[in-house]
Amino acid sequence: DTAVSQTPKYLVTQMGNDKSIKCEQNLGHDTMYWYKQDSKKFLKIMFSYNNKELIINETVPNRFSPKSPDKAHLNLHINSLELGDSAVYFCASSFHRGNYEQYFGPGTRLTVT
Amino acid sequence: SQQGEEDPQALSIQEGENATMNCSYKTSINNLQWYRQNSGRGLVHLILIRSNEREKHSGRLRVTLDTSKKSSSLLITASRAADTASYFCATDPLSGNTPLVFGKGTRLSVIA
Repeated sequence: DTAVSQTPKYLVTQMGNDKSIKCEQNLGHDTMYWYKQDSKKFLKIMFSYNNKELIINETVPNRFSPKSPDKAHLNLHINSLELGDSAVYFCASSFHRGNYEQYFGPGTRLTVT
Repeated sequence: SQQGEEDPQALSIQEGENATMNCSYKTSINNLQWYRQNSGRGLVHLILIRSNEREKHSGRLRVTLDTSKKSSSLLITASRAADTASYFCATDPLSGNTPLVFGKGTRLSVIA
């Protein structure tokens, strides 16, 4: 069974559109994360939720809105997509907040044209 | 911002050789973690070393931590073609509610 899954794996869309990426973990972890990895492979934290509560919100445009319906799911909605949003987005989870080892999903490659 | 910096950026070796990657960071930490990323995949956790530990082993991996120099190294012994990947260090800052900070990674190529 996949521990952390993301859908879709690839997403190609036009500027100005709104899109969502879904993430689910079946590890029973309390904490989930969204990261953005740019073309130079630099990985940057965007958001973190602990038991459905937002605990980390880095400097991210408010076009990005995370939603956690329960502690096993953390979805990312992006409004008014821009060319600069093109990147690979990774979801991850950890046992608890406090920077335990993290388990990553396979990534969603977003291309904005 | 505080950030781990891996060195070298890229490393190419022959199968069977050892590979050493280094990570330097700027401020005090709780722990330091190493991750591997195969092309087109998510990161996989390899090893976590706490600030009060100096060395840790896991199979062919050996990690050292020198908090006085704010640096860590990852040694992969007897490398295999399957070790080809990018390797990232991530630091857990000592201060407050701060997330893991990832470095830019070392791209390792192991040639068969």
